[in-house]
Amino acid sequence: DAGVIQSPRHEVTEMGQEVTLRCKPISGHDYLFWYRQTMMRGLELLIYFNNNVPIDDSGMPEDRFSAKMPNASFSTLKIQPSEPRDSAVYFCASSLSLGIGYTFGSGTRLTVV
Amino acid sequence: SQQGEEDPQALSIQEGENATMNCSYKTSINNLQWYRQNSGRGLVHLILIRSNEREKHSGRLRVTLDTSKKSSSLLITASRAADTASYFCATDGIQGAQKLVFGQGTRLTINP
Repeated sequence: DAGVIQSPRHEVTEMGQEVTLRCKPISGHDYLFWYRQTMMRGLELLIYFNNNVPIDDSGMPEDRFSAKMPNASFSTLKIQPSEPRDSAVYFCASSLSLGIGYTFGSGTRLTVV
Repeated sequence: SQQGEEDPQALSIQEGENATMNCSYKTSINNLQWYRQNSGRGLVHLILIRSNEREKHSGRLRVTLDTSKKSSSLLITASRAADTASYFCATDGIQGAQKLVFGQGTRLTINP
C-alpha cells in the first residue's frame, strides 16, 4: 500500500482565492482525519469522518472551511476564501478504527499571500 | 486546549546516549500514543499504551504510563543520528470523545 496520499505537497495562493486539498486514505481504513499544524497552535484536529460520514467538525475554524468525503477513497478540504492566517501544513490521516495508531500523509504546506 | 504537554520542548544529546521525553495530560484517557515527525514529513506512529498498562517496549523504545500522575515517558536507548526528529504524545478519551489530541512535541537532536 502506498500509504495516505495527499496532494498537492505545496500550495501558494493569493488571499481570497479558493484552495482545495486532497487526500486518499489507505484502502480499508474506515476513519479519516484532517489536522492542521502551525508553530503557534501545534497539531489541531479539524474534522474526522467514519465511513465517509463527518462525525466531528468542531475543530473547523470557521465557515470558510469545508470538508467532504464523497467515497471511501477520497476526501477534500476546501478553504474559500483563503486568508494569510490559514497558512499552515495540513495533514490527512486514516485508521482502521479509533483507539489505534493513525497513518499520516506527508502533508500539504499551504501559503496564503 | 491541548491535552498532552511534552517536556522538555527541546533536547540535544550525543549519539549513543539515552533520550527521555515526558508527557503530561489533564483528563482520563483510553490510551496514549507516541509519534515521531521528521522535518518536513508526516507523523509516524511509534507505540500505543493503554490506560491499564504501565510499561511497553518496542525495539529501542520504552514507554511508561502513570495514570495516577497523568503522565507518560518515552525513552529512546542508544540514540542514533537518525532519531533526530520531533516527538509527540497524543491522547484520546477526552470527555467521552475518542478523537486523538496531540501535544506540542519535543524537538530531539542527536549530535554525532
